[in-house]
Amino acid sequence: DSGVTQTPKHLITATGQRVTLRCSPRSGDLSVYWYQQSLDQGLQFLIQYYNGEERAKGNILERFSAQQFPDLHSELNLSSLELGDSALYFCASSVGSLGTEAFFGQGTRLTVV
Amino acid sequence: GNSVTQMEGPVTLSEEAFLTINCTYTATGYPSLFWYVQYPGEGLQLLLKATKADDKGSNKGFEATYRKETTSFHLEKGSVQVSDSAVYFCALSDRGDQGGKLIFGQGTELSVKP
Repeated sequence: DSGVTQTPKHLITATGQRVTLRCSPRSGDLSVYWYQQSLDQGLQFLIQYYNGEERAKGNILERFSAQQFPDLHSELNLSSLELGDSALYFCASSVGSLGTEAFFGQGTRLTVV
Repeated sequence: GNSVTQMEGPVTLSEEAFLTINCTYTATGYPSLFWYVQYPGEGLQLLLKATKADDKGSNKGFEATYRKETTSFHLEKGSVQVSDSAVYFCALSDRGDQGGKLIFGQGTELSVKP
Protein backbone atom coordinates (compact mmCIF):
# COMPACT_ATOMS: atom_id res chain seq x y z
CA ASP A 1 0.00 0.00 0.00
CA SER A 2 1.56 3.26 -1.19
CA GLY A 3 -0.58 5.45 1.04
CA VAL A 4 -2.05 7.28 -1.96
CA THR A 5 -5.80 6.78 -2.30
CA GLN A 6 -7.73 7.26 -5.50
CA THR A 7 -11.47 7.08 -5.99
CA PRO A 8 -13.34 5.72 -7.77
CA LYS A 9 -11.46 2.66 -9.02
CA HIS A 10 -13.64 2.30 -12.08
CA LEU A 11 -15.83 4.76 -13.93
CA ILE A 12 -17.99 4.19 -16.99
CA THR A 13 -19.62 7.20 -18.56
CA ALA A 14 -21.00 8.42 -21.86
CA THR A 15 -19.44 10.76 -24.37
CA GLY A 16 -20.02 14.42 -23.61
CA GLN A 17 -20.27 13.86 -19.88
CA ARG A 18 -18.12 15.27 -17.06
CA VAL A 19 -16.42 13.27 -14.31
CA THR A 20 -14.32 14.04 -11.26
CA LEU A 21 -11.48 11.85 -10.07
CA ARG A 22 -10.25 12.21 -6.52
CA CYS A 23 -6.85 11.68 -4.95
CA SER A 24 -5.66 11.75 -1.34
CA PRO A 25 -1.86 11.95 -1.10
CA ARG A 26 0.34 10.21 1.43
CA SER A 27 0.40 11.86 4.80
CA GLY A 28 2.97 14.66 4.74
CA ASP A 29 3.33 14.84 0.97
CA LEU A 30 2.76 18.30 -0.49
CA SER A 31 3.00 17.50 -4.21
CA VAL A 32 0.32 15.77 -6.21
CA TYR A 33 0.78 14.68 -9.81
CA TRP A 34 -1.73 13.39 -12.32
CA TYR A 35 -0.79 10.96 -15.09
CA GLN A 36 -2.72 9.34 -17.89
CA GLN A 37 -1.86 5.81 -19.02
CA SER A 38 -3.13 4.58 -22.35
CA LEU A 39 -1.99 1.83 -24.70
CA ASP A 40 -1.01 4.18 -27.50
CA GLN A 41 0.47 7.09 -25.49
CA GLY A 42 2.00 5.25 -22.54
CA LEU A 43 2.32 7.17 -19.27
CA GLN A 44 1.85 10.89 -19.82
CA PHE A 45 2.21 13.61 -17.23
CA LEU A 46 -0.81 15.88 -17.00
CA ILE A 47 -0.32 18.34 -14.15
CA GLN A 48 1.39 18.88 -10.80
CA TYR A 49 0.25 20.78 -7.74
CA TYR A 50 2.45 21.71 -4.82
CA ASN A 51 0.90 22.88 -1.57
CA GLY A 52 -2.21 24.12 -3.33
CA GLU A 53 -0.53 25.86 -6.25
CA GLU A 54 -0.11 24.65 -9.80
CA ARG A 55 3.58 23.77 -10.21
CA ALA A 56 3.93 22.26 -13.67
CA LYS A 57 1.74 21.43 -16.60
CA GLY A 58 2.11 18.72 -19.20
CA ASN A 59 0.02 17.91 -22.24
CA ILE A 60 -3.25 18.40 -20.42
CA LEU A 61 -6.24 19.08 -22.62
CA GLU A 62 -8.23 22.27 -22.12
CA ARG A 63 -11.24 20.09 -21.32
CA PHE A 64 -9.35 18.80 -18.28
CA SER A 65 -8.68 20.75 -15.13
CA ALA A 66 -7.41 20.02 -11.66
CA GLN A 67 -7.06 21.59 -8.27
CA GLN A 68 -5.51 20.88 -4.90
CA PHE A 69 -7.47 21.77 -1.81
CA PRO A 70 -6.23 23.12 1.56
CA ASP A 71 -6.27 19.59 3.01
CA LEU A 72 -3.96 18.65 0.08
CA HIS A 73 -6.32 16.25 -1.63
CA SER A 74 -6.69 16.82 -5.33
CA GLU A 75 -9.37 16.44 -7.95
CA LEU A 76 -9.05 16.00 -11.69
CA ASN A 77 -12.05 17.14 -13.67
CA LEU A 78 -12.60 15.77 -17.15
CA SER A 79 -15.36 17.32 -19.24
CA SER A 80 -16.91 16.90 -22.70
CA LEU A 81 -15.57 13.38 -22.62
CA GLU A 82 -14.59 11.63 -25.81
CA LEU A 83 -13.98 7.95 -26.54
CA GLY A 84 -10.25 8.68 -26.70
CA ASP A 85 -10.23 9.82 -23.08
CA SER A 86 -10.69 6.22 -21.97
CA ALA A 87 -7.55 5.41 -19.99
CA LEU A 88 -6.10 4.74 -16.58
CA TYR A 89 -5.60 7.92 -14.60
CA PHE A 90 -3.00 7.81 -11.86
CA CYS A 91 -2.35 10.17 -9.04
CA ALA A 92 1.06 10.28 -7.37
CA SER A 93 2.41 12.23 -4.44
CA SER A 94 5.81 13.26 -3.15
CA VAL A 95 7.20 15.23 -0.28
CA GLY A 96 8.92 17.91 -2.30
CA SER A 97 8.34 19.56 -5.63
CA LEU A 98 11.60 18.80 -7.39
CA GLY A 99 12.90 15.39 -8.34
CA THR A 100 11.97 13.42 -5.25
CA GLU A 101 10.49 9.96 -5.58
CA ALA A 102 6.77 9.76 -6.17
CA PHE A 103 4.31 7.21 -4.84
CA PHE A 104 1.39 6.16 -6.97
CA GLY A 105 -2.20 5.32 -6.24
CA GLN A 106 -4.00 2.32 -7.74
CA GLY A 107 -5.49 4.43 -10.48
CA THR A 108 -8.97 5.15 -11.81
CA ARG A 109 -9.95 3.27 -14.94
CA LEU A 110 -12.16 5.52 -17.02
CA THR A 111 -14.21 4.04 -19.82
CA VAL A 112 -16.09 6.40 -22.10
CA VAL A 113 -18.82 4.73 -24.14
CA GLY B 1 13.30 17.79 -24.44
CA ASN B 2 13.95 15.11 -21.85
CA SER B 3 13.13 11.55 -22.82
CA VAL B 4 13.59 7.92 -21.79
CA THR B 5 14.00 4.96 -24.10
CA GLN B 6 13.58 1.37 -22.96
CA MET B 7 14.14 -1.89 -24.74
CA GLU B 8 11.00 -3.24 -26.27
CA GLY B 9 9.19 -6.17 -24.79
CA PRO B 10 7.84 -8.55 -24.10
CA VAL B 11 10.78 -10.26 -22.50
CA THR B 12 10.24 -13.92 -21.68
CA LEU B 13 12.63 -15.72 -19.35
CA SER B 14 12.79 -18.98 -17.47
CA GLU B 15 12.89 -18.93 -13.69
CA GLU B 16 16.40 -18.28 -12.30
CA ALA B 17 17.59 -16.66 -15.53
CA PHE B 18 19.54 -13.39 -15.56
CA LEU B 19 17.57 -10.27 -16.40
CA THR B 20 18.68 -7.08 -18.10
CA ILE B 21 16.28 -4.37 -19.24
CA ASN B 22 18.05 -1.55 -21.04
CA CYS B 23 17.19 2.07 -20.39
CA THR B 24 18.81 5.17 -21.84
CA TYR B 25 17.86 8.77 -21.29
CA THR B 26 18.24 12.23 -22.75
CA ALA B 27 18.19 15.09 -20.30
CA THR B 28 19.49 18.53 -19.62
CA GLY B 29 20.83 19.03 -16.15
CA TYR B 30 21.19 16.22 -13.63
CA PRO B 31 18.02 14.19 -13.34
CA SER B 32 17.16 11.57 -10.77
CA LEU B 33 16.52 8.15 -12.28
CA PHE B 34 13.96 5.55 -11.23
CA TRP B 35 12.64 2.12 -11.99
CA TYR B 36 8.96 1.50 -11.32
CA VAL B 37 7.13 -1.82 -11.57
CA GLN B 38 3.47 -2.35 -12.40
CA TYR B 39 1.84 -5.65 -11.57
CA PRO B 40 -1.36 -6.58 -13.41
CA GLY B 41 -4.29 -4.45 -12.31
CA GLU B 42 -2.22 -2.36 -9.93
CA GLY B 43 -0.57 1.03 -9.74
CA LEU B 44 3.11 1.75 -10.15
CA GLN B 45 5.46 0.83 -7.33
CA LEU B 46 8.86 2.40 -6.90
CA LEU B 47 11.45 -0.34 -7.31
CA LEU B 48 14.70 1.61 -6.98
CA LYS B 49 16.24 4.99 -7.58
CA ALA B 50 19.54 6.83 -8.09
CA THR B 51 20.04 10.54 -7.72
CA LYS B 52 23.54 11.17 -9.07
CA ALA B 53 26.15 9.74 -11.38
CA ASP B 54 27.63 6.36 -10.34
CA ASP B 55 24.94 5.82 -7.71
CA LYS B 56 23.66 2.25 -7.60
CA GLY B 57 20.04 1.71 -6.65
CA SER B 58 19.01 -1.71 -5.38
CA ASN B 59 15.94 -3.43 -4.00
CA LYS B 60 14.57 -7.00 -3.88
CA GLY B 61 17.56 -8.32 -5.84
CA PHE B 62 17.20 -5.73 -8.61
CA GLU B 63 20.02 -3.28 -9.30
CA ALA B 64 20.66 -0.33 -11.62
CA THR B 65 23.63 2.02 -11.87
CA TYR B 66 23.38 5.66 -12.98
CA ARG B 67 25.89 5.96 -15.83
CA LYS B 68 26.28 9.56 -16.93
CA GLU B 69 28.88 8.81 -19.59
CA THR B 70 26.54 6.44 -21.41
CA THR B 71 23.30 8.11 -20.22
CA SER B 72 22.02 4.73 -19.13
CA PHE B 73 20.26 3.14 -16.15
CA HIS B 74 19.93 -0.55 -17.02
CA LEU B 75 17.93 -2.79 -14.70
CA GLU B 76 19.46 -6.15 -13.73
CA LYS B 77 18.57 -9.12 -11.57
CA GLY B 78 20.68 -12.19 -11.16
CA SER B 79 17.90 -14.76 -10.82
CA VAL B 80 14.30 -13.93 -11.72
CA GLN B 81 11.22 -15.55 -10.20
CA VAL B 82 7.74 -16.11 -11.58
CA SER B 83 6.55 -13.41 -9.17
CA ASP B 84 8.73 -10.85 -11.00
CA SER B 85 6.39 -11.00 -13.99
CA ALA B 86 5.20 -7.42 -14.47
CA VAL B 87 5.75 -4.31 -16.57
CA TYR B 88 8.87 -2.32 -15.72
CA PHE B 89 9.16 1.40 -16.35
CA CYS B 90 12.32 3.47 -16.39
CA ALA B 91 11.78 7.13 -15.53
CA LEU B 92 13.63 10.35 -14.95
CA SER B 93 12.73 13.34 -12.87
CA ASP B 94 13.99 16.71 -13.96
CA ARG B 95 14.88 18.85 -10.98
CA GLY B 96 14.75 22.03 -13.00
CA ASP B 97 12.02 24.51 -13.66
CA GLN B 98 9.69 21.79 -14.85
CA GLY B 99 8.96 20.65 -11.33
CA GLY B 100 9.35 17.07 -10.24
CA LYS B 101 7.33 15.37 -12.91
CA LEU B 102 8.40 11.94 -14.09
CA ILE B 103 9.11 11.19 -17.73
CA PHE B 104 8.59 7.50 -18.41
CA GLY B 105 9.87 5.08 -20.95
CA GLN B 106 7.30 2.99 -22.80
CA GLY B 107 7.56 0.10 -20.36
CA THR B 108 8.95 -3.40 -20.80
CA GLU B 109 6.75 -6.38 -20.07
CA LEU B 110 8.55 -9.25 -18.37
CA SER B 111 7.11 -12.75 -18.30
CA VAL B 112 8.91 -15.40 -16.22
CA LYS B 113 8.02 -19.04 -16.87
CA PRO B 114 8.47 -21.80 -14.25
